[in-house]
Amino acid sequence: AQTVTQSQPEMSVQEAETVTLSCTYDTSESDYYLFWYKQPPSRQMILVIRQEAYKQQNATENRFSVNFQKAAKSFSLKISDSQLGDAAMYFCAYNNAGNMLTFGGGTRLMVKP
Amino acid sequence: DTGVSQNPRHKITKRGQNVTFRCDPISEHNRLYWYRQTLGQGPEFLTYFQNEAQLEKSRLLSDRFSAERPKGSFSTLEIQRTEQGDSAMYLCASSLAYKEHYTFGSGTRLTVV
Repeated sequence: AQTVTQSQPEMSVQEAETVTLSCTYDTSESDYYLFWYKQPPSRQMILVIRQEAYKQQNATENRFSVNFQKAAKSFSLKISDSQLGDAAMYFCAYNNAGNMLTFGGGTRLMVKP
Repeated sequence: DTGVSQNPRHKITKRGQNVTFRCDPISEHNRLYWYRQTLGQGPEFLTYFQNEAQLEKSRLLSDRFSAERPKGSFSTLEIQRTEQGDSAMYLCASSLAYKEHYTFGSGTRLTVV
């Protein structure tokens, strides 16, 4: 069974600084997708960024980028120029064959003004 | 399109009572997923449908839980004889089959007293 591990229960960053959230996963599959979701206090899970495992190039979405290390089964999220609105729970998730998502335990990100 | 809608937003029930939640997915999405999220944890997969067919159920889905998607549109999740351990956020998500883009609802928070 696939597992996703987020080893940082909480992280803190100063506004305008950069922070990196860690995620590791375990799978025997070669083709899969990895995601970072943001869940603000309003609760709705919002997609931040998505990576396809067969693509070597790291995904980027504006201030958000990933460092995907397939051999190490590592998928970290970098948030640049952190903003107060980035404060939320962040979940790493895995999916293969278009079925259900497997989530990590989450990292609470606090942004200090 | 208003996204994925879940009702009610909150439900407080007494132990032993039955409860039913509803999820209305994005209209063109043929897959619908249910997840359970306890406080401070990542969502855990419960079950998913493709059209009206329930394709997979987690071992978390005890015989007190039942889910339906009778016409391949909205879905209901019923919990019979609720227990305090059922207190959680129940999340619904939808997608197109084999398209790794998932849209989540805002969830239904269940409190069993």
